[in-house]
Amino acid sequence: SQQGEEDPQALSIQEGENATMNCSYKTSINNLQWYRQNSGRGLVHLILIRSNEREKHSGRLRVTLDTSKKSSSLLITASRAADTASYFCATDVEGLIQGGSEKLVFGKGTKLTVNP
Amino acid sequence: DAGITQSPRHKVTETGTPVTLRCHQTENHRYMYWYRQDPGHGLRLIHYSYGVKDTDKGEVSDGYSVSRSKTEDFLLTLESATSSQTSVYFCATIQGPQETQYFGPGTRLLVL
Repeated sequence: SQQGEEDPQALSIQEGENATMNCSYKTSINNLQWYRQNSGRGLVHLILIRSNEREKHSGRLRVTLDTSKKSSSLLITASRAADTASYFCATDVEGLIQGGSEKLVFGKGTKLTVNP
Repeated sequence: DAGITQSPRHKVTETGTPVTLRCHQTENHRYMYWYRQDPGHGLRLIHYSYGVKDTDKGEVSDGYSVSRSKTEDFLLTLESATSSQTSVYFCATIQGPQETQYFGPGTRLLVL
């Protein structure tokens, strides 16, 4: 069963605009992670936010986590054509170590297209 | 791709034939994973390993078996391939300062 669900499924914007993707999940978590996948490639880890954190930044990425609503958002500011990719959220299910990534459940992803 | 190689990268096979996919890592990571990725389903865990000879099932393990006789290699076997196993298969390990999952380049499998 899917733990995380991204919204929207697809998003098309112009270069320079901000892109916001959302993720909702069902059960309590230790951490939530966002990954990116370029077409035909493996997933690449972007950012991890722990359950006791509310916001995290990394370059042009901003992630928020609301554990009361069981939701997270990924904001990409000043988007570029090179940001075109699919973005996945993943939640840990049975962390053997607090905050671990031993078993992750991935959502179906948001496909982002940034038009030049 | 984080020191992870997968072989073969592409394979076409016929229904009923056995298929083995190999994941090889060079950095002595303890955890290794096999996922499949299909349109509309995202990434789903097939099997994972937490050490040599230590493996466990994931969400979609039916029709698949795995083996890990050496730290560096994690093999995924389809005993008798079916068309429903046509997919892209990804291997992953846990590594990095935040102990997150790193993925290999994927194997594209077509079962006719």
